[in-house]
Amino acid sequence: DTAVSQTPKYLVTQMGNDKSIKCEQNLGHDTMYWYKQDSKKFLKIMFSYNNKELIINETVPNRFSPKSPDKAHLNLHINSLELGDSAVYFCASSPGTAGEQFFGPGTRLTVL
Amino acid sequence: AQSVTQLDSQVPVFEEAPVELRCNYSSSVSVYLFWYVQYPNQGLQLLLKYLSGSTLVKGINGFEAEFNKSQTSFHLRKPSVHISDTAEYFCAVSPSGTYKYIFGTGTRLKVLA
Repeated sequence: DTAVSQTPKYLVTQMGNDKSIKCEQNLGHDTMYWYKQDSKKFLKIMFSYNNKELIINETVPNRFSPKSPDKAHLNLHINSLELGDSAVYFCASSPGTAGEQFFGPGTRLTVL
Repeated sequence: AQSVTQLDSQVPVFEEAPVELRCNYSSSVSVYLFWYVQYPNQGLQLLLKYLSGSTLVKGINGFEAEFNKSQTSFHLRKPSVHISDTAEYFCAVSPSGTYKYIFGTGTRLKVLA
């Protein structure tokens, strides 16, 4: 059973398009995250939800909008995609503070 | 604010040799400390963590790390590396009682035959 899953694994799209990435965790965790990893492997937190409520919202363009329909799911919608959005996006979950994070396999987004 | 510094972007080492990957952090509040490993084309997985107690922490795959509060360091060590340890290693801190995690820039460990 996959603990944290993301779909799709690869996403290739044109500039200006809108796309979504989905994340699901079956660990019963209360907290979920989105991270962006750039080509130099730098990992930056974007958003975090705890029990469906937004608790972390880093400096991210408002073209990015997270949505948590329930505490097992955290989706990321991106409007008007730009070349600089090309990266690997990781979803993660944790049981709360002081817990380790469990990462999904990543979604490699390529904007042409 | 907190920050994490991994000074070595790449560390080449021969198989069966020991290795140390360095991590220093800066924080005005107490933090929890983590090391994660990322194999090619995969997500991150936890190697070990320090929350409290003994400053020497043992993790998976023979790795260990030592928390040094005075030097604000949390260096990762392995006495004898294998080819399969080739990966990217990330140090991370989380301020106690928060949901925030700050990752270092990563150290690429390359084990040579």
